[in-house]
Amino acid sequence: DTGVSQNPRHKITKRGQNVTFRCDPISEHNRLYWYRQTLGQGPEFLTYFQNEAQLEKSRLLSDRFSAERPKGSFSTLEIQRTEQGDSAMYLCASSQTVGGGTQETQYFGPGTRLLVL
Amino acid sequence: AQSVTQPDIHITVSEGASLELRCNYSYGATPYLFWYVQSPGQGLQLLLKYFSGDTLVQGIKGFEAEFKRSQSSFNLRKPSVHWSDAAEYFCAVGAAFGNEKLTFGTGTRLTIIP
Repeated sequence: DTGVSQNPRHKITKRGQNVTFRCDPISEHNRLYWYRQTLGQGPEFLTYFQNEAQLEKSRLLSDRFSAERPKGSFSTLEIQRTEQGDSAMYLCASSQTVGGGTQETQYFGPGTRLLVL
Repeated sequence: AQSVTQPDIHITVSEGASLELRCNYSYGATPYLFWYVQSPGQGLQLLLKYFSGDTLVQGIKGFEAEFKRSQSSFNLRKPSVHWSDAAEYFCAVGAAFGNEKLTFGTGTRLTIIP
């Protein structure tokens, strides 16, 4: 059983550059989430997908951020024109909906740590 | 809007001592509650969860948590901590229906002394 994987694990970039992160969820999971965690804080929700549909985006997700899940499997999170304030750990999680309700559990990947210089 | 408060930023306990980490939540309906643990530079590992039923839930690594609706609390406990329990612990709340995004507390850092 492979868990959620994320690549790269670390990324250092210069301000103004674009970066892209990838998340591979647990294979049978239909939901995929992105969270951002800054130092000393808990993770904050950014966006989530059910299959390939992006169902919600947080106000934290400015227009410089875009996420895709084109075939309902892996997802990418792109940040354009990075700023120093984007430095954080970006966490991906996946889950499988249960019946008509939820009671789902989100399983997290190891995260991608971004440092913007 | 849902929210989670973890009042203790940092707790230090001796190895072998008991542990209780506090979590208070705010949510208008029946919440789904979770405890996750994060080791330095790592992702989050699920310790336990409460959806419904028995208010005392057992998790991995000998942890348990008790849901108290009247106090809006979901405190995490362990009778005897091990050095390997040193980590950051996060409490989270999710909606029972609809959007299932999790709202996390700010975390409690646990230090274990010999």
